[in-house]
Amino acid sequence: LAKTTQPISMDSYEGQEVNITCSHNNIATNDYITWYQQFPSQGPRFIIQGYKTKVTNEVASLFIPADRKSSTLSLPRVSLSDTAVYYCLVVQADKLIFGTGTRLQVFP
Amino acid sequence: DSGVTQTPKHLITATGQRVTLRCSPRSGDLSVYWYQQSLDQGLQFLIQYYNGEERAKGNILERFSAQQFPDLHSELNLSSLELGDSALYFCASSASISGTGGTDTQYFGPGTRLTVL
Repeated sequence: LAKTTQPISMDSYEGQEVNITCSHNNIATNDYITWYQQFPSQGPRFIIQGYKTKVTNEVASLFIPADRKSSTLSLPRVSLSDTAVYYCLVVQADKLIFGTGTRLQVFP
Repeated sequence: DSGVTQTPKHLITATGQRVTLRCSPRSGDLSVYWYQQSLDQGLQFLIQYYNGEERAKGNILERFSAQQFPDLHSELNLSSLELGDSALYFCASSASISGTGGTDTQYFGPGTRLTVL
């Protein structure tokens, strides 16, 4: 079973756009790709969810190519409060699989 | 505040012991999920219940078991504890059932930190 991989860490400055990619092979054809944000000592918090192409909400956008082998979370104009770990969540072989997580550090 | 509560917040115990973690889902949510988060394994899905029935199983050890009660709260039982079981255990809930939960928005509790000495 292929791992669902993400870059370990990313650095950014306030006001910049940040794109975090998750690579996931053989995900379930009928299930969504979901992204969560986690602050230290807290449970993950839902950010955005999509099935294909592009989804946008008030905090982020999610880009999913046609082959669904990856997805990219886009955070526009990040702020210091966006410093957190970001996880993708997919379904592989009928199991919920979280990505390896990306630690985003936003600097002033 | 997600509306999901977990007790206790912290738990310290010894190897070989048994503990029970408790989770109360958001009001109206029928599905409950359990996850383990450790430094070396990341976030691992353990098990999902829907309206009292086991719905999906992940990497849950045979020493671990769970159940969901008629009032929809859930308990995760960990027995014959080992040092490697030390981790954060999260419970999440969702309103609906959709296959293995890949479509549902899950709301996570604050977690229980288990330390096995």
